[in-house]
Amino acid sequence: NAGVTQTPKFQVLKTGQSMTLQCAQDMNHNSMYWYRQDPGMGLRLIYYSASEGTTDKGEVPNGYNVSRLNKREFSLRLESAAPSQTSVYFCASSESQAGGNTGELFFGEGSRLTVL
Amino acid sequence: SQQGEEDPQALSIQEGENATMNCSYKTSINNLQWYRQNSGRGLVHLILIRSNEREKHSGRLRVTLDTSKKSSSLLITASRAADTASYFCATKDTGRRALTFGSGTRLQVQP
Repeated sequence: NAGVTQTPKFQVLKTGQSMTLQCAQDMNHNSMYWYRQDPGMGLRLIYYSASEGTTDKGEVPNGYNVSRLNKREFSLRLESAAPSQTSVYFCASSESQAGGNTGELFFGEGSRLTVL
Repeated sequence: SQQGEEDPQALSIQEGENATMNCSYKTSINNLQWYRQNSGRGLVHLILIRSNEREKHSGRLRVTLDTSKKSSSLLITASRAADTASYFCATKDTGRRALTFGSGTRLQVQP
């Protein structure tokens, strides 16, 4: 049982390049999330998908797009990378909860992106 | 914007001592959760406390929640060197679909 798997683990881009971060979960969770983590700022939500076929913006969506390819996979795309997008990106998933609640999140190991 | 704010930002203690971390938040919540992150790794869920609960225990962890003060605390008793990590509180805000994380407390437990 792998849990949440992110690829790649490390990536260096030049300003203006594009790339896609891949995320897959094998826990049959409905909800999936992309967060970024910067020093001293904790985690900030980029996008989330409450269920297959739906996506919603989080706190810092500018410069990113997402695709919920199926129930297992949720990808994050940087169309034109900028140095401000240098960060560690975490994918997470969770079960749906009654009443719209959110239970435990399961995180991947992170993707460390540097934009030069 | 950050919802939970942890205090202190960093904490250094000796093995065997207790560690207390605090979290304050601003809005109404459904639940509050604590996560641990070892250096260079992903976050791992520790404990969830619902808005109608005041205290919860899990092994050496004790979490309290005071919704009137919009604050929570995480107590780790009899700390071990292996407890060295960053600890984050996260809130499920009423009306939001995802968790909002604080900036974390870095705990160093000296052997």
